[in-house]
Amino acid sequence: QVQLVQSGAEVRKPGASMKVSCRASGYTFTDYYIHWVRQIPGQGLQWLGWINPYKGDTKYAQNFQGWVTLTRDTSISTAYMELSRLKSEDTAVYYCARITRDSSFDCWGQGTLLTVSS
Amino acid sequence: QSALTQPASVSGSPGQSITISCTGTSSDLGSYDLVSWYQQHPGKAPELMIYEGTKRPSGVSNRFSGSKSGNTASLTISGLQAEDEADYYCCSYAGGSTWVFGGGTKLTVL
Repeated sequence: QVQLVQSGAEVRKPGASMKVSCRASGYTFTDYYIHWVRQIPGQGLQWLGWINPYKGDTKYAQNFQGWVTLTRDTSISTAYMELSRLKSEDTAVYYCARITRDSSFDCWGQGTLLTVSS
Repeated sequence: QSALTQPASVSGSPGQSITISCTGTSSDLGSYDLVSWYQQHPGKAPELMIYEGTKRPSGVSNRFSGSKSGNTASLTISGLQAEDEADYYCCSYAGGSTWVFGGGTKLTVL
């Protein structure tokens, strides 16, 4: 079945970087864009950006440009999200999600909790 | 890009119907028929309930329905059940290859 499996929870100090992986299975990885979404504890979902696994082109939400970097490795059907210059307010669950041609997210990763604390 | 506007909370008794609204602008939700709705239970990933404003994915109960008028989309849940208690989020294509989510609505089944 279609599945996205993310890497495990991470703890980082302020100013550090962090990279989350999202491994796809059950479908052709390069056929669907992967999006990333953030959820700060107790708050709503925020769209961060997408990557086209086929070409590698990306798009970022305006508020997150320069802070989020999306990449992929097609040989292992995995998308990555790297966050830099972390702050305590970046503590959140980060999700990857597959988007279909009707612009809906039909499959989500299980989420990766990032805790930023000194 | 501002979040779409949803009520913070709604509630209903088992068997009743409730409607959650999602308001955007003429630049995002009002310009595209690409609204989707997601259900999220505590500690779980969101799950797609409605796409393209009115369509249900295979496996989603027909108690869930969607509509859209102008800059506002709505999710209606009929015959409320205890398992429907969750957070609900709308999402819309916002142009320029960007997407925007609503702030979320907490549904309480009384």
